[in-house]
Amino acid sequence: GNSVTQMEGPVTLSEEAFLTINCTYTATGYPSLFWYVQYPGEGLQLLLKATKADDKGSNKGFEATYRKETTSFHLEKGSVQVSDSAVYFCALTLYNQGGKLIFGQGTELSVKP
Amino acid sequence: EAQVTQNPRYLITVTGKKLTVTCSQNMNHEYMSWYRQDPGLGLRQIYYSMNVEVTDKGDVPEGYKVSRKEKRNFPLILESPSPNQTSLYFCASSFKGQGKESYNSPLHFGNGTRLTVT
Repeated sequence: GNSVTQMEGPVTLSEEAFLTINCTYTATGYPSLFWYVQYPGEGLQLLLKATKADDKGSNKGFEATYRKETTSFHLEKGSVQVSDSAVYFCALTLYNQGGKLIFGQGTELSVKP
Repeated sequence: EAQVTQNPRYLITVTGKKLTVTCSQNMNHEYMSWYRQDPGLGLRQIYYSMNVEVTDKGDVPEGYKVSRKEKRNFPLILESPSPNQTSLYFCASSFKGQGKESYNSPLHFGNGTRLTVT
């Protein structure tokens, strides 16, 4: 079946450290890939997306590249801030699935000053 | 302001007492969906709706009902809640047009409803 696997958290970093959150997927067909972020007490919001192989999504200093050969969509940021502390969800959707988003389990990031 | 509004934010109830969680969006979105979020499991889809009077089951529909009588509203109904329905619930909506790009439209989420069933 279709699924998304993320690295387990929590991830704790110091401010200005480099961030990588791993995400791999299994899908029949050609999925679109997303990263959503959930700040404390809020709903999820779209961080970035990539809709085809080799596309790079970017937003707010975060980047992720759609790697079809490794079925991955790892999230990276060169220098994290305390305000980046949140839960990050990797997700996919498929054209023939009615637009349903399939989420990974989420990775909690805590950035210390 | 474009938003998805859920009510209530917090709800504590007892087993078997029917409840409704309301969801309303002001973006004229066709697509609406309910998810539940549980630790270690991410978000799982309960029900979704592609348009008015069109609803379908997601991955975990047991024990839930929905209706879509108006485009803006998509209430979630628990006819007889049980403790295993204790969870954090999110309503979401998005634009759904034509073609492949329509399925890449971002989901807009409400702020969640934390339900406890004792």
